[in-house]
Amino acid sequence: GEDVEQSLFLSVREGDSSVINCTYTDSSSTYLYWYKQEPGAGLQLLTYIFSNMDMKQDQRLTVLLNKKDKHLSLRIADTQTGDSAIYFCAESVTGYSTLTFGKGTMLLVSP
Amino acid sequence: EAEVAQSPRYKITEKSQAVAFWCDPISGHATLYWYRQILGQGPELLVQFQDESVVDDSQLPKDRFSAERLKGVDSTLKIQPAELGDSAMYLCASSSLWTGGRGNEQFFGPGTRLTVL
Repeated sequence: GEDVEQSLFLSVREGDSSVINCTYTDSSSTYLYWYKQEPGAGLQLLTYIFSNMDMKQDQRLTVLLNKKDKHLSLRIADTQTGDSAIYFCAESVTGYSTLTFGKGTMLLVSP
Repeated sequence: EAEVAQSPRYKITEKSQAVAFWCDPISGHATLYWYRQILGQGPELLVQFQDESVVDDSQLPKDRFSAERLKGVDSTLKIQPAELGDSAMYLCASSSLWTGGRGNEQFFGPGTRLTVL
């Protein structure tokens, strides 16, 4: 079945860049997503990428996709303390199928 | 801005008791999801509705869990009897077919944190 793996923890200093990595196993994944979860809250969609793209930039966020290696990364430029949260990678086979989430990466940004 | 509403936000119960969670999706969203998120894990789908019909409940423990969306709008998830292992965050999400090409963008509510003692 589908599996999504992420590193569990990342610590950076304010102003640095953060890179969160994710690998997935389902080669038929069409959409890949990054969600953010702040303490005690639900998940918020940050960005997404189609499988036929290899890069997408959205303000401070850059998503890189290596489809051959089934590797996805999220780069946050100029990381701020407000970016401290858990970041989830997720994939779906079609635009309407269910999402499979990774276990999440906790990002801690120190001043 | 439209949001997914959930209640209660927190629920503490004793094992063998019954609990119920309520979700009101974003207006016009035909698809509604219930997820369970165990501490330190990602959300796992319990049940998916399309309007009032169940599309996927393959991961729902049907001996104790039930879900309904009678009028295709709001939804209730029930656990009876609750067990210690049910302690988790229960998240509701909704989505629309009209995503403007954003795939299956799901909008999540704040969740209900269940603690079973």
